[in-house]
Amino acid sequence: KAGVTQTPRYLIKTRGQQVTLSCSPISGHRSVSWYQQTPGQGLQFLFEYFSETQRNKGNFPGRFSGRQFSNSRSEMNVSTLELGDSALYLCASSLAGRGKDEKLFFGSGTQLSVL
Amino acid sequence: GNSVTQMEGPVTLSEEAFLTINCTYTATGYPSLFWYVQYPGEGLQLLLKATKADDKGSNKGFEATYRKETTSFHLEKGSVQVSDSAVYFCALMSFSGGYNKLIFGAGTRLAVHP
Repeated sequence: KAGVTQTPRYLIKTRGQQVTLSCSPISGHRSVSWYQQTPGQGLQFLFEYFSETQRNKGNFPGRFSGRQFSNSRSEMNVSTLELGDSALYLCASSLAGRGKDEKLFFGSGTQLSVL
Repeated sequence: GNSVTQMEGPVTLSEEAFLTINCTYTATGYPSLFWYVQYPGEGLQLLLKATKADDKGSNKGFEATYRKETTSFHLEKGSVQVSDSAVYFCALMSFSGGYNKLIFGAGTRLAVHP
C-alpha cells in the first residue's frame, strides 16, 4: 500500500510569490491534515480536511489556505510569501480524522525556502 | 490549553546504552498519546501510541506507558543502536471540536555512537 505522497519535495520561491503544495493520502484515507515544521516554532497544525470540507484550522493567517478534492487529494496554498514561511510542510492522512484510535501517517514533506 | 513538554536534547549515547526521553503533557480530558520519529530528510513515522491511562505502547524495542497521575509518557529503550539516531517527538491528540489534531513537543535529538 503506497504511503502519503507529497510533491514537490523541494521548492524555492521569492518573497511576494505564491506557492501550491500537493498531498496524496493513503488509499482509503479521507482525512488530510497539514503541519508546518520550523526550527523556531516546531510542528504546528495548519488545517484539516475531510470530504472536501475544512473541519479544523490552526492559528495561521489567511494567506495559508487549502482544499481537498473528491479523490481525497489535498493542496495547500500560501500567497504573498514571507521569509518566515520557509519551513518543512508535512501532510498527514488518516481514515476519518476523529476518534481516540485514529493514527496519522505522514508524508516526507515539502521543503519550502523563501528568498 | 493543551501542550507537550519534552526533555531538551541532544541526547548522546553509546550503542547498547539505555535510553529515556522524558515527556509530560497538559490536557483537558483524556487525550491519546504518541511518539513519532523523524530521520534526517524524512517525514514523521509513528513509533507507538497509547489511548488510555496505564496503556503501554511498544514497537521496535521502544516502550512508553501512559501515566495519568504524573501526566507523563516517557520513551524508553533498553539497548539503542546507531540506526536509532533521529529526532523523537512526543505528541498528544486533541479532539478539538470533535476532530483530531496533534499537538507536538519540541522534539529531542538522539545521537548514538558505535
